[in-house]
Amino acid sequence: DAKTTQPNSMESNEEEPVHLPCNHSTISGTDYIHWYRQLPSQGPEYVIHGLTSNVNNRMASLAIAEDRKSSTLILHRATLRDAAVYYCILRDGSNYQLIWGAGTKLIIKP
Amino acid sequence: GAGVSQSPSNKVTEKGKDVELRCDPISGHTALYWYRQSLGQGLEFLIYFQGNSAPDKSGLPSDRFSAERTGGSVSTLTIQRTQQEDSAVYLCASSLPGGGGFNQPQHFGDGTRLSIL
Repeated sequence: DAKTTQPNSMESNEEEPVHLPCNHSTISGTDYIHWYRQLPSQGPEYVIHGLTSNVNNRMASLAIAEDRKSSTLILHRATLRDAAVYYCILRDGSNYQLIWGAGTKLIIKP
Repeated sequence: GAGVSQSPSNKVTEKGKDVELRCDPISGHTALYWYRQSLGQGLEFLIYFQGNSAPDKSGLPSDRFSAERTGGSVSTLTIQRTQQEDSAVYLCASSLPGGGGFNQPQHFGDGTRLSIL
């Protein structure tokens, strides 16, 4: 399975944009890039996913590099409630599994 | 609307006892997944159901673990003769049918925190 690399932790100030990077240099042509986040003591929550084009939804934006070897999750205006562990996951459309790494712990400073 | 519901939220039991964990998926979600998360770790896949069938049980850690799903809805994960290394949070997720591949978002419950004394 293709793997992802994320920083262990990041800090950001409240009400500022946050850019969470993810490297996936061994991504295959059929792998989708998924992002989930997990707040303390809760189950993971779906954030966004994409294949080649940049994607936007009410929670975040996903910017995918042209060569697809990296991507960035963008939170446009971080709030304290965005403090969580963010997971970047590659998922083959034929594979039901989500293969989880350690994620990035996002700390939001008031 | 109602999300994925798991019960109990916490379970403490003695080593050697059997435990049963329950998952109620979102109505209409035919796909159901069980994961395990140890403290400070990412999620470990256990088993996947499509309807009442489990195409792949290879993620189950040992033959002490089993799962079933009835009526295409509720699922139970059973751990027999529990060991201390079974202590973890057990998470259930459900999703809509694949439709073009397994890229439907998975919706998670808040898990059952299992502690084996």
